[in-house]
Amino acid sequence: EPEVTQTPSHQVTQMGQEVILRCVPISNHLYFYWYRQILGQKVEFLVSFYNNEISEKSEIFDDQFSVERPDGSNFTLKIRSTKLEDSAMYFCASLINSGANVLTFGAGSRLTVL
Amino acid sequence: QKEVEQNSGPLSVPEGAIASLNCTYSDRGSQSFFWYRQYSGKSPELIMFIYSNGDKEDGRFTAQLNKASQYVSLLIRDSQPSDSATYLCAVGGGTASKLTFGTGTRLQVTL
Repeated sequence: EPEVTQTPSHQVTQMGQEVILRCVPISNHLYFYWYRQILGQKVEFLVSFYNNEISEKSEIFDDQFSVERPDGSNFTLKIRSTKLEDSAMYFCASLINSGANVLTFGAGSRLTVL
Repeated sequence: QKEVEQNSGPLSVPEGAIASLNCTYSDRGSQSFFWYRQYSGKSPELIMFIYSNGDKEDGRFTAQLNKASQYVSLLIRDSQPSDSATYLCAVGGGTASKLTFGTGTRLQVTL
């Protein structure tokens, strides 16, 4: 069964460092998302991406965050200068088309900021 | 602020019993409703989705939606120890819209 692939599975970084989390969505999916989940808290929407541009973003997704789809397969989330509170599990998700709202989530990337 | 509320639990049910999980949401414009299962340290896994008022059954799972009461529920029949997990209710708007998640209800199925 097709799956969303995320790398790295776990990254440890120092506060202030830049981090790039990578995702390979399912090949025929058109909509892409990043969600995060701080340990013990709810899953929170960060950003959605369609047709090579951001379609919606949350208040969490400030100027420190950016997304891009550098080629036909990868979808990346960049955090420019990490803070302690960025420590979380980051989930990439994709959606085949607008006919259904059924997301497929990746396994997640755990980010630990020291 | 759109909210999705769930009882955090834990909800403890004996093996073979019916587990009933509940969720309320604040945005009356919500159009799509999802139940995800999440094991500790893992990503959410879709259990069921429902768009219309009423019941939707899939195997041991039944989702119930009441838009007038802004209430969604999930029934798990013949609960198994492998059903022990956190169940996340998620609510969305129109097509391809973002999902708003509840904090989840932790279910424990005891032998």
